[in-house]
Formats: sequence, C-alpha cells, structure tokens
Amino acid sequence: QQQVKQSPQSLIVQKGGISIINCAYENTAFDYFPWYQQFPGKGPALLIAIRPDVSEKKEGRFTISFNKSAKQFSLHIMDSQPGDSATYFCAAKETSGSRLTFGEGTQLTVNP
Amino acid sequence: NAGVTQTPKFQVLKTGQSMTLQCAQDMNHEYMSWYRQDPGMGLRLIHYSVGAGITDQGEVPNGYNVSRSTTEDFPLRLLSAAPSQTSVYFCASSYSPWTVGATNEKLFFGSGTQLSVL
Repeated sequence: QQQVKQSPQSLIVQKGGISIINCAYENTAFDYFPWYQQFPGKGPALLIAIRPDVSEKKEGRFTISFNKSAKQFSLHIMDSQPGDSATYFCAAKETSGSRLTFGEGTQLTVNP
Repeated sequence: NAGVTQTPKFQVLKTGQSMTLQCAQDMNHEYMSWYRQDPGMGLRLIHYSVGAGITDQGEVPNGYNVSRSTTEDFPLRLLSAAPSQTSVYFCASSYSPWTVGATNEKLFFGSGTQLSVL
C-alpha cells in the first residue's frame, strides 16, 4: 500500500514552461514533506522541503504548495530549463518517526 | 568528505548466490538506511538503523539482512539472491531523523549499486 501517491509518472515540458508534480498522502501524522531530485546514474538529492505550518515555500524557481485539508502537496518548477530534466520524488515523514516514505517518482523532460 | 560511499557500483549474481552490498559514511550520521529503486515504484525502504547496534525493518525487508556494528558502516546482505531482487540499491544517511530542522533530517544518498540476478 503506497502511503504517498505521486503523479504524473512522466512529464514533458517546453523550455520556459511550468512543471507541476502532485502528491497525495494518507497518514495524517506526516508533518515533513521533502522533494528529492535525481539525475541519471546518481543518488537522489534534497531539493526543497515544507512543514504543514505554511501553505507555500519558494526557493528560486522551485515552489512547494501544501494543502493540509486535502492531504496534498505539489512541486512547481517555474521557467523550466533542460537542466531540470531529472526524476523527482516527493516524500513524507512523521517527526516522531525516522522513516522517510517516497512517492513513485516523476520523470521530467524539459525540451529546448 | 567522501559522504556516503557504496560498493560495488555494478554486480551480477546467479539465483541462489549471496553477497553483501557495502555502505560507509564519514559524516558521523546516526541514521542509515537502504532503499531499492524499481521503475514505477519509487524508492522503497528495506532496512534502517538509528544507531550502532540498532536496526529495524522497512517496507520490503524479506530476503535481506543488515547489521550496524559501527556508526560508519551499514552493510546489506542478500541471503539467497532471486530475480525479484534485481534493482538499483541506494544507501542513505542523515544526522538525526528525530530532530526538526532541514540539516538534521536531510538524507544523503550514495551513488547506488545496480544489481542483476539471473
């Protein structure tokens, strides 16, 4: 049973466009929601993270939007660039726990 | 700092063989974990450790063993390899998963081991 569900599985965007990846979770005890970015042949790396006390967090071109009542959160990549082409994973964790649960991943391709 | 080091990078096994995937970190991290990555299934937690001498099962522990005799090392053992264990394996560590704060909770991943079981 996937506790964190991610969509879409793949996404193709033109350079300069907005990439949007969505995640939904079931466990209401989750209170830490990071996004990881993975380039081919590499391990994932932390991109940006949010806690439920805010509805949005922005770092450069990357924004997380969080909807606690809907138990959903999303990653927006503004002005998408070919260098953003990678696999993106959402994840969730309880502060009282140590386990990070990942979504299925989204393969993003940004065409020049 | 080398970060999280995994060896080997590639491995081919025959069904029934056993092997150990090595993982070492030099950041004095309390928490270490093993994930497997399969297409369409994301990263699934196999086993994890919150400190030397302490290990616990994740989502998909069957067929794997771990131990944590030192803070630095967290090897993953495949007891009797099966084709279903063909996957990319990642070791990851963090300073302290229970302490709130981006630095403490950030997972550092190794570069992965691509394992094929024939």
